[in-house]
Amino acid sequence: GESVGLHLPTLSVQEGDNSIINCAYSNSASDYFIWYKQESGKGPQFIIDIRSNMDKRQGQRVTVLLNKTVKHLSLQIAATQPGDSAVYFCAETISGGYNKLIFGAGTRLAVHP
Amino acid sequence: GAVVSQHPSWVICKSGTSVKIECRSLDFQATTMFWYRQFPKQSLMLMATSNEGSKATYEQGVEKDKFLINHASLTLSTLTVTSAHPEDSSFYICSARDQGRMNTEAFFGQGTRLTVV
Repeated sequence: GESVGLHLPTLSVQEGDNSIINCAYSNSASDYFIWYKQESGKGPQFIIDIRSNMDKRQGQRVTVLLNKTVKHLSLQIAATQPGDSAVYFCAETISGGYNKLIFGAGTRLAVHP
Repeated sequence: GAVVSQHPSWVICKSGTSVKIECRSLDFQATTMFWYRQFPKQSLMLMATSNEGSKATYEQGVEKDKFLINHASLTLSTLTVTSAHPEDSSFYICSARDQGRMNTEAFFGQGTRLTVV
């Protein structure tokens, strides 16, 4: 596979704080990026996406930033809640429904009360 | 949002037996589905791309004779782990993208926990 199987780093935050999760992607041809949340024993859930013609996109409590120059994505979660505790993955692809989605290494977010 | 259903959610099998995992897109057509494997505390690693009506495309290092993929209809892909061994124990996840809508996220099944004893 193309995704590197690294052990997950952990980000620990206090409830109510803002969280920033970073991701480096590998393919300069990728033009569509997605953040997923994965809870234990479940499949990934969509959080937010961004296309390469944008550098920022906001959702409810979440913001994704894209820096194509250095091939970097970040996910910002405002007012982090215990329910946000999960593993977060960025994924990259080239536009078009037939193209595969490649996942980054992932970050475990632990929210403490 | 679109729903992808994966079955079974968990399975325990003996070494040497084969196990079939199903992935269905419930409310959209998917000419392409993707199969991933995930080890504990690791990321999802793409195994293969399942193409309706044609052969699957396997990622480098994935044995096509070990992991048989069949995509016989626009809503169903199956992954068969043949002659399973304990090292095949893992979390297998399928996904599909709605080809009727360009540039959408991939929807994921709930995953299948395979344990080979």
